[in-house]
Amino acid sequence: DTAVSQTPKYLVTQMGNDKSIKCEQNLGHDTMYWYKQDSKKFLKIMFSYNNKELIINETVPNRFSPKSPDKAHLNLHINSLELGDSAVYFCASSPGTGSEGFNTEAFFGQGTRLTVV
Amino acid sequence: RKEVEQDPGPFNVPEGATVAFNCTYSNSASQSFFWYRQDCRKEPKLLMSVYSSGNEDGRFTAQLNRASQYISLLIRDSKLSDSATYLCVVTLNRDDKIIFGKGTRLHILP
Repeated sequence: DTAVSQTPKYLVTQMGNDKSIKCEQNLGHDTMYWYKQDSKKFLKIMFSYNNKELIINETVPNRFSPKSPDKAHLNLHINSLELGDSAVYFCASSPGTGSEGFNTEAFFGQGTRLTVV
Repeated sequence: RKEVEQDPGPFNVPEGATVAFNCTYSNSASQSFFWYRQDCRKEPKLLMSVYSSGNEDGRFTAQLNRASQYISLLIRDSKLSDSATYLCVVTLNRDDKIIFGKGTRLHILP
């Protein structure tokens, strides 16, 4: 019973194409994230949504557009793909700020390995 | 200064040895601290939270030093299965932002 699932797991596409990655969580969490892990394995936050509202938007090209139709889903659409977009993209969710005032752990999807050729 | 800094390693350690990693963070308003583990080509998974008083989970001990703004992870009696990348994670409650360090690679040698 997968908690955070993202599809597809692998995506190979040509430069200039538009593609989407889907993410769903069944944990009832309020907060969802997209992270990018580059070839040097650095995991960097891209976006964060809380209850369908954009909370964090790091310095990401506007070719990347997240969409949250409901709090269980956070999809990532990428326009005009470039070679430098090749990376592993992880979706994650967390309950957000806990009742004690501290964040609790984040749960990650298995990642989408995007290769732009 | 980077928000979260770790020694990337790799640390090559013989099986059974004790190994320790440190991680420093720049924002004194950071509220929550964690160690995550990431295996090759897998997603990060929570290893343990780090509490102000320090905490232990089996062979793993985590400590927090707020004054010096660092957290540490100690692994005793290391096993081959401990080989992985260990990610230091810091959160800022005001925006639920979860910040990852670049990770420390650990190789346990038979």
